[in-house]
Amino acid sequence: KAGVTQTPRYLIKTRGQQVTLSCSPISGHRSVSWYQQTPGQGLQFLFEYFSETQRNKGNFPGRFSGRQFSNSRSEMNVSTLELGDSALYLCASSPGVAGSNEQFFGPGTRLTVL
Amino acid sequence: EDQVTQSPEALRLQEGESSSLNCSYTVSGLRGLFWYRQDPGKGPEFLFTLYSAGEEKEKERLKATLTKKESFLHITAPKPEDSATYLCAVGTGANSKLTFGKGITLSVRP
Repeated sequence: KAGVTQTPRYLIKTRGQQVTLSCSPISGHRSVSWYQQTPGQGLQFLFEYFSETQRNKGNFPGRFSGRQFSNSRSEMNVSTLELGDSALYLCASSPGVAGSNEQFFGPGTRLTVL
Repeated sequence: EDQVTQSPEALRLQEGESSSLNCSYTVSGLRGLFWYRQDPGKGPEFLFTLYSAGEEKEKERLKATLTKKESFLHITAPKPEDSATYLCAVGTGANSKLTFGKGITLSVRP
């Protein structure tokens, strides 16, 4: 079974620009969660999508948004980029149903904001 | 607010020198405690899920245990390829949000 894939793997943007990251979950998984990982804060939860609906949201500003498509693929968008948005953005997929709590992570997208 | 604290921050072992990594947590309604391994430049790799106090799980040289306030990841006779960052996370409530600790960077010298 193929794992979680994320594209692109690396991105370089400048302040003020916007960026869209993509995630394809494991086949059959309906839940996709996004996390931001930085050296100072570690892994922090951004939001979760299940069946095209945002089911949970972390404490990030509205510049961070996402969506999920009918095939469970998800995109994350960051508008008006700031230097502090430089991070590894990780996507995790899970079945999303009761009793199946494990999340499986993709390789991440390394975003650098100059 | 859910909190996860891992200690020590870094651990250096000689090959074959067994040790334990600690994960302390404060949550309301634990749905599961998760251990992940992360290699540099890669996403976290799932290792174990523990659901209730007293539960133990093993995989090769790794054994995870759970009490009501903490979890331990025991590494028996580690090898250099066990060098990585080990992350602990808790899940609470009915959603998929995980709260992570900062991780423990393990280095095993040959």
